[in-house]
Amino acid sequence: DQQVKQNSPSLSVQEGRISILNCDYTNSMFDYFLWYKKYPAEGPTFLISISSIKDKNEDGRFTVFLNKSAKHLSLHIVPSQPGDSAVYFCAAGSGGSNYKLTFGKGTLLTVNP
Amino acid sequence: DGGITQSPKYLFRKEGQNVTLSCEQNLNHDAMYWYRQDPGQGLRLIYYSQIVNDFQKGDIAEGYSVSREKKESFPLTVTSAQKNPTAFYLCASASLRTGGTPLHFGNGTRLTVT
Repeated sequence: DQQVKQNSPSLSVQEGRISILNCDYTNSMFDYFLWYKKYPAEGPTFLISISSIKDKNEDGRFTVFLNKSAKHLSLHIVPSQPGDSAVYFCAAGSGGSNYKLTFGKGTLLTVNP
Repeated sequence: DGGITQSPKYLFRKEGQNVTLSCEQNLNHDAMYWYRQDPGQGLRLIYYSQIVNDFQKGDIAEGYSVSREKKESFPLTVTSAQKNPTAFYLCASASLRTGGTPLHFGNGTRLTVT
């Protein structure tokens, strides 16, 4: 039973354009959400997070949007750069749940020069 | 420079042998975690610990064991009972003072069992 779903295994965009990565969740208890970026043979690195009391959080080129009613969040990267090419994982957790995170399967983003 | 160190980066073992993966952190984090990543899969939680001498099973704990004798260290043993041990193993830590997020990850150990 997958509680965090990233339905697009891959995404390809042109340099300078916007990248939009999507994530859906099923557990209504989730109240904070994170995006991680991962290069091959390395550990994931934290990108940006959002709590359920907000619907948007922005950090430089990265913006995360949360739609609680739809149980959907998205990560926007603008403008996209070739160095953004990596696997992006969506993760979710609930404050009362022993600080565990549940991860999606990831989306491979390729930014073409 | 604070961080999480996993060693070795690559590990090869024969089927039937137990193997222990090392994870050390100098971030003074309370909580530590072990995740497993398989191709095309997300990260799945094996075990986690929020305090020394205490740990809890994650979603896929069968065939694994851990210990937390020191705050800085959280070794994972992959036993011969684990049916599909070949995978990329990631250790993570977090400060409970920040609500346990974000997780900080090490660079992983790729275990191959033949």
